[in-house]
Amino acid sequence: EAGVAQSPRYKIIEKRQSVAFWCNPISGHATLYWYQQILGQGPKLLIQFQNNGVVDDSQLPKDRFSAERLKGVDSTLKIQPAKLEDSAVYLCASSLVGTGSNEQYFGPGTRLTVT
Amino acid sequence: GENVEQHPSTLSVQEGDSAVIKCTYSDSASNYFPWYKQELGKGPQLIIDIRSNVGEKKDQRIAVTLNKTAKHFSLHITETQPEDSAVYFCAAWDSNYQLIWGAGTKLIIKP
Repeated sequence: EAGVAQSPRYKIIEKRQSVAFWCNPISGHATLYWYQQILGQGPKLLIQFQNNGVVDDSQLPKDRFSAERLKGVDSTLKIQPAKLEDSAVYLCASSLVGTGSNEQYFGPGTRLTVT
Repeated sequence: GENVEQHPSTLSVQEGDSAVIKCTYSDSASNYFPWYKQELGKGPQLIIDIRSNVGEKKDQRIAVTLNKTAKHFSLHITETQPEDSAVYFCAAWDSNYQLIWGAGTKLIIKP
């Protein structure tokens, strides 16, 4: 079974530029999560999708971050314009709903550096 | 909302010894507590979890204990091996069905 795929793996941009990250979850997983992980901290949920609908985006800085999950499969997360404090690893995870398991499967992440 | 505190931030143990990582949570309604292991350059991976209706769960060298009254849970790794070196995160499933994570423990296994 293929895992969660993310691209790119690394990205360096200047502040005020824009950037986009892509995620392809495990086939059949209805729930998709985007997390921000700042160095030395645990992941922080940015947004959660159930199929192509948003379940929770309460911690997404909506003035600069946006995310979409068209057709309920892959997803993109965009930052525009980027700030220095956006430097972090952006993790995508997916989970299978309805099995009674809450396990989230993570991709390798995209390491963003904003200079 | 839920708050999860994790200690210690760094733990260094001799190969073959045991390691214990402790977490506390604040939301008494939380009922699911997973532990994730994150190796360098990789995403977190679930290693064990426990639900609020049990007090202990084991899987080979790994065990988790839960004390709902005191609102704390712990990860125990016995007979540590070099491949156990990683960052370990505890988390709690809060009443909003969101996973709240601890800050992580860097586990170092000394040869």
